[in-house]
Amino acid sequence: AQSVSQHNHHVILSEAASLELGCNYSYGGTVNLFWYVQYPGQHLQLLLKYFSGDPLVKGIKGFEAEFIKSKFSFNLRKPSVQWSDTAEYFCAVNAPSTSGTYKYIFGTGTRLKVLA
Amino acid sequence: DGGITQSPKYLFRKEGQNVTLSCEQNLNHDAMYWYRQDPGQGLRLIYYSQIVNDFQKGDIAEGYSVSREKKESFPLTVTSAQKNPTAFYLCASSWRTSGTTDTQYFGPGTRLTVL
Repeated sequence: AQSVSQHNHHVILSEAASLELGCNYSYGGTVNLFWYVQYPGQHLQLLLKYFSGDPLVKGIKGFEAEFIKSKFSFNLRKPSVQWSDTAEYFCAVNAPSTSGTYKYIFGTGTRLKVLA
Repeated sequence: DGGITQSPKYLFRKEGQNVTLSCEQNLNHDAMYWYRQDPGQGLRLIYYSQIVNDFQKGDIAEGYSVSREKKESFPLTVTSAQKNPTAFYLCASSWRTSGTTDTQYFGPGTRLTVL
């Protein structure tokens, strides 16, 4: 079965530090990859997504992610975090299920706390 | 103002009672989803629906039921058979489930507590 692993459950950084959140998935076929963010008290919202083409994708608020097919990874990065980046981040894969429909599979999430 | 609404925001239920969570969308999306979010477990799919009057079980459907009588509405009933119902429930929608590139849009969630 497909799965998504996020290795860091809690991350604490100081403002201006660089961020990298790991995401690995287990599916050998073509996948579509997403990062969602849930700010405190707000809806889960899309940060960025990869479907095809340039494996380095840029999202909102200065975030980017790199798809490395050989490593089954889609790590999220930001060069310099801000206090407002404090949130929970979810990696997700959209891949075909046994019934043929596409299903989202979410990772367990990473809680990021940025200290001012 | 387009989006997904869920009500209520907080819900308390006595053990043994059924309870229904509301989800409405005005995005004209065909597909709708219900997820359960527990700390450290991410989002797990309960049920999803591709079109009106059709729905399929997700990964953790036991103890839950849904209906899809209207395109914009996808209510979730948490029955007394659900052994551990206290959780945060998220509703989402997308254009369709067959599209590999479809983005899901999420509602604000309902926090259910069973007393």
